[in-house]
Amino acid sequence: QKEVEQNSGPLSVPEGAIASLNCTYSDRGSQSFFWYRQYSGKSPELIMSIYSNGDKEDGRFTAQLNKASQYVSLLIRDSQPSDSATYLCAVTFSGSARQLTFGSGTQLTVLP
Amino acid sequence: ETGVTQSPTHLIKTRGQQVTLRCSSQSGHNTVSWYQQALGQGPQFIFQYYREEENGRGNFPPRFSGLQFPNYSSELNVNALELDDSALYLCASSLGGQQGREQYFGPGTRLTVT
Repeated sequence: QKEVEQNSGPLSVPEGAIASLNCTYSDRGSQSFFWYRQYSGKSPELIMSIYSNGDKEDGRFTAQLNKASQYVSLLIRDSQPSDSATYLCAVTFSGSARQLTFGSGTQLTVLP
Repeated sequence: ETGVTQSPTHLIKTRGQQVTLRCSSQSGHNTVSWYQQALGQGPQFIFQYYREEENGRGNFPPRFSGLQFPNYSSELNVNALELDDSALYLCASSLGGQQGREQYFGPGTRLTVT
């Protein structure tokens, strides 16, 4: 069973702090990793993709990938109340690489 | 905005009925994937269409079927609706049928089955 696991939260951080969101996956052969943000009642919005081990930065967002540990994380620096949303981790597994397999999401609340 | 559109926005159907949902992909994208998202869960992959052919399918029964048209727009058809089919249906647009491509979601269709 190929799975993506996320802590469901809720995770609360004060405004201006760093929010750290974590995701583990079951297939060592996975190649592609994505973070989506989903506001309540809306559809998922792609915010980061990462394919190689290490860090990838885009503005206030940093994705970190460690394939040996089967772990991908998302850091949000200088968190803002507008970052309050559910963050979904998605992975493409080897052998079914056309489909995204999602975790159940982590609900983040940034407190003013 | 991703440029991916879906219709209708909301739909209410009765158990046993049939429904068709529509999706237009982002300009330049030739691949459409469909997902079902139940409340409080991550999206679940239904199937993908690339160049008008089904290009992968998740664990959904045959009463879930689809089409892709020459302009790369797509339809999702669900027959014999069940109460558990109530969910947000998402289509995602991407470039190419290759693995690992970034997928961009439309706004979704909220289906309620009573």
